[in-house]
Amino acid sequence: NAGVTQTPKFQVLKTGQSMTLQCAQDMNHEYMSWYRQDPGMGLRLIHYSVGAGITDQGEVPNGYNVSRSTTEDFPLRLLSAAPSQTSVYFCASSPRTSGVHTQYFGPGTRLTVL
Amino acid sequence: AQTVTQSQPEMSVQEAETVTLSCTYDTSESDYYLFWYKQPPSRQMILVIRQEAYKQQNATENRFSVNFQKAAKSFSLKISDSQLGDAAMYFCAYRFGGGSQGNLIFGKGTKLSVKP
Repeated sequence: NAGVTQTPKFQVLKTGQSMTLQCAQDMNHEYMSWYRQDPGMGLRLIHYSVGAGITDQGEVPNGYNVSRSTTEDFPLRLLSAAPSQTSVYFCASSPRTSGVHTQYFGPGTRLTVL
Repeated sequence: AQTVTQSQPEMSVQEAETVTLSCTYDTSESDYYLFWYKQPPSRQMILVIRQEAYKQQNATENRFSVNFQKAAKSFSLKISDSQLGDAAMYFCAYRFGGGSQGNLIFGKGTKLSVKP
């Protein structure tokens, strides 16, 4: 049971490039989400999904796309990278959306946009 | 909108002593959950402790305990017998208990240093 995995661990992009951050979980969790962490800002929600085929926006969705074609995978796409997207990105999952279920976090991806 | 505030950007404690990290939140909901997460230099987010709002009893996990004051909307974390491995960023988080969302709202974090 690998839990929540994220790839890559580190990435450097140039402004305007696009890329996909991968997230996968092998716990059959319904709920998955993406957060970004910036210095002094805590973690902020980008997008989330309550099940395959269902996604919605969080607090800071601009510049990012998501899709959820399977229960296991929840990729985050940067359409045209900007320096403001330099951040650490975390994927998280939990068994259900309601109740006290704990969210399990991946190890994070550090992204630098030049 | 719900908000979570951690008013102490940095704290320091002597090894083996006790430290309390503060957290306040704002919500109009009665059904919610509160969490403390630890983030060591490895960046991994680790759940420390959680509290259901409907429970009056404060949660405890070994050396970690909370002081949950629902009326005051306060949720502080007490670390007893501090160890060097407790040095980390600590984040307080809130989650609404109802509806179809499981989204966490985080505070900005408190950096805890432990002095030997």
